[in-house]
Amino acid sequence: AQKITQTQPGMFVQEKEAVTLDCTYDTSDPSYGLFWYKQPSSGEMIFLIYQGSYDQQNATEGRYSLNFQKARKSANLVISASQLGDSAMYFCAMRESDGNEKLTFGTGTRLTIIP
Amino acid sequence: GAGVSQSPSNKVTEKGKDVELRCDPISGHTALYWYRQSLGQGLEFLIYFQGNSAPDKSGLPSDRFSAERTGGSVSTLTIQRTQQEDSAVYLCASSLQTGPYGYTFGSGTRLTVV
Repeated sequence: AQKITQTQPGMFVQEKEAVTLDCTYDTSDPSYGLFWYKQPSSGEMIFLIYQGSYDQQNATEGRYSLNFQKARKSANLVISASQLGDSAMYFCAMRESDGNEKLTFGTGTRLTIIP
Repeated sequence: GAGVSQSPSNKVTEKGKDVELRCDPISGHTALYWYRQSLGQGLEFLIYFQGNSAPDKSGLPSDRFSAERTGGSVSTLTIQRTQQEDSAVYLCASSLQTGPYGYTFGSGTRLTVV
């Protein structure tokens, strides 16, 4: 089974609108972390936001927020007031606490902001 | 350094040749990770270092792949007898410590095996 599932291969959003990128995960580990990364066409991976499984509140970082629904095992990224520079690939990732330090990534969502 | 540095940025090699990819992490970052990203795909974990030791090598796809890290700093990923399916972007990341922190990625090495 996929550990991280991103069901939206591509999305088109009008500039200044909010956008939600979906991510569901699968783990039996009670302690885990969820990450979102942005990958522009230049290729670098840019860390956006982190949510711990025990965090009581949804994480926020500027225009980015994470809609964490633990019972549903979803960790959707919300970008408010989208900008042209938000056009990129977005990856959801999970780190479990089984001593394995690796991040497991989803297949990504390509977001295109339309002027 | 200010960021994670990888070299070369691009490498074209003939099938069957060996290649070495280098990663210079952020100074003081104890954890170092190698990932591979094939065209249009997500990131595939290869190996993780804590200091100079590699507690997790589970992602290395075959025994043609190896990696080492010296002085708790620079890491080298070596691919022997390259195959066309090895063509991908190889990304290195480092973090200050293990745990739920954002990892800083380098810009990657684009490897093309012809």
